[in-house]
Amino acid sequence: SQQGEEDPQALSIQEGENATMNCSYKTSINNLQWYRQNSGRGLVHLILIRSNEREKHSGRLRVTLDTSKKSSSLLITASRAADTASYFCATGDSGYALNFGKGTSLLVTP
Amino acid sequence: AAGVIQSPRHLIKEKRETATLKCYPIPRHDTVYWYQQGPGQDPQFLISFYEKMQSDKGSIPDRFSAQQFSDYHSELNMSSLELGDSALYFCASSLIGWGQVAKNIQYFGAGTRLSVL
Repeated sequence: SQQGEEDPQALSIQEGENATMNCSYKTSINNLQWYRQNSGRGLVHLILIRSNEREKHSGRLRVTLDTSKKSSSLLITASRAADTASYFCATGDSGYALNFGKGTSLLVTP
Repeated sequence: AAGVIQSPRHLIKEKRETATLKCYPIPRHDTVYWYQQGPGQDPQFLISFYEKMQSDKGSIPDRFSAQQFSDYHSELNMSSLELGDSALYFCASSLIGWGQVAKNIQYFGAGTRLSVL
């Protein structure tokens, strides 16, 4: 990955619990995005946070951004089995490549 | 709503053969991107096109080439295939436009799984 690491690499929780995954990046950014990927499928955009924002919510998702630490976190509240997927953070300017983190593999068991 | 369409979904080739992957972006999207994702890896950017012109280039091998046609569909051509080319290949599209706040949200196709034997 050109950007950095995500941790944890794998996370296993039970339905109803919250899942938190973290992402670090290396360069200055204008925005940061989170994408979800079900096994062997395409990536789906979840949420975008701009560099001048510190927190953003979308449904059960909460994203934080700390530009001083070059890090972001994604919180999924009240997780469901259907949330089982890999989650990637990504940075990149409009019209240019997305640089993905290594991804966190989330398993939510009933 | 229409999504990004990729074909074929699966492709099996032998070493040294060639392969062509096709991508049909979301209608009215002006930018197409190609990514390669190896097993257990994050997607790696290969190349992109804005309004049919190459706009950005990543870690695309010289054996690969791509273009975007007048109808905005794109093709990724891969020659002299190697075992290491086995991967998922994704196409994504976005609308950059002008006079809009840039967001760079990309919409991905379901991918083509290439297996090189």
